[in-house]
Amino acid sequence: GQSLEQPSEVTAVEGAIVQINCTYQTSGFYGLSWYQQHDGGAPTFLSYNALDGLEETGRFSSFLSRSDSYGYLLLQELQMKDSASYFCAVMDSNYQLIWGAGTKLIIKP
Amino acid sequence: NAGVTQTPKFQVLKTGQSMTLQCAQDMNHEYMSWYRQDPGMGLRLIHYSVGAGITDQGEVPNGYNVSRSTTEDFPLRLLSAAPSQTSVYFCASSYSTQTMGYGYTFGSGTRLTVV
Repeated sequence: GQSLEQPSEVTAVEGAIVQINCTYQTSGFYGLSWYQQHDGGAPTFLSYNALDGLEETGRFSSFLSRSDSYGYLLLQELQMKDSASYFCAVMDSNYQLIWGAGTKLIIKP
Repeated sequence: NAGVTQTPKFQVLKTGQSMTLQCAQDMNHEYMSWYRQDPGMGLRLIHYSVGAGITDQGEVPNGYNVSRSTTEDFPLRLLSAAPSQTSVYFCASSYSTQTMGYGYTFGSGTRLTVV
């Protein structure tokens, strides 16, 4: 079956750096996406990796290794507003998005 | 530009009732989809559409119907509500299936409770 694994919860301190990992097992692969969702809100797009390597967008970076079926989201200079759930999602060979269960990021002052 | 608009935002239904969740987008997106999100779980695909007149089932289609008569609208119908359908429902759209990875726009969600 198809599955994505990510930690259920991560805790970090304001101003620090945190990494959220995602490993996947899917039928085909076109790319790995990351979404942010605040409590009571809708998912919003953060980043997309189709090729191996690091993509940087401001304080957020995303990495992909297709040979390891692995990616991560890196958040730097953490702010309290970054407290949210973060989802990885893989687009499989049928152009369907397969979602992880989400990682709740708790930020302490 | 409104993006993806979902109505209603909240709804309480009695078991056995039917209702329609509305979804409309004004971005001329071809691909539209419905997800449900349950506590502690990721998004599960209910139904999707790759264009007007074309719909298909996702991972959890039972108990739901959809239609796509126009590019803009993609309503989700609950045929006979059950407590197991208590969830948060999201509509999402993308220019195409190929752009979903980096161009997926979600509506604000409908919080449905079935009692």
